[in-house]
Amino acid sequence: SAVISQKPSRDICQRGTSLTIQCQVDSQVTMMFWYRQQPGQSLTLIATANQGSEATYESGFVIDKFPISRPNLTFSTLTVSNMSPEDSSIYLCSVEGVTAGGYEQYFGPGTRLTVT
Amino acid sequence: AQSVTQLGSHVSVSEGALVLLRCNYSSSVPPYLFWYVQYPNQGLQLLLKYTSAATLVKGINGFEAEFKKSETSFHLTKPSAHMSDAAEYFCAVSPPNDYKLSFGAGTTVTVRA
Repeated sequence: SAVISQKPSRDICQRGTSLTIQCQVDSQVTMMFWYRQQPGQSLTLIATANQGSEATYESGFVIDKFPISRPNLTFSTLTVSNMSPEDSSIYLCSVEGVTAGGYEQYFGPGTRLTVT
Repeated sequence: AQSVTQLGSHVSVSEGALVLLRCNYSSSVPPYLFWYVQYPNQGLQLLLKYTSAATLVKGINGFEAEFKKSETSFHLTKPSAHMSDAAEYFCAVSPPNDYKLSFGAGTTVTVRA
């Protein structure tokens, strides 16, 4: 399985500002994913990030609000722009993995964001 | 399209008792099914997965789940709960070998001493 780290682990930010979250994986992976987990809710996929191409965003998420970079096969960033209290969530990155038992995803520890 | 429904947002069990978490899925193609666990202030950890092989799947920490196509279910069980099982559990579904995971709303498990 892959080992994934995220920075920062948590932050408190003022509305109107932006925060960039980093995701580092210990092996090269083709696809990285960014999820949002709003308080008391399940995970929602924000976008898929492939190295060398623009991220693919899910319905309801736009690049201006959540720009993503994927400069190489082990790293990605997600920026939450012009934040409002509604952006207070846990943001998780994940990577794909293929094992003898088939496809699965591995998740990072998450970044807990509070917007005041 | 795929979706999952987790019955019961909160389950409370006594230490040593059976843990049963219910998950029903909807899928237009034969699905892959997953159970993840999230401990407080941590990310998600894969407990087990069904990928069209054996219908009874054994995972980590003594958990297992059974895929029942006729009931469109993938319920998670553990015979004897430990205090360390207190966490949130998510069921997820995807098309085969597809990255698009759809998660259920989650079930919070508390374990009483």
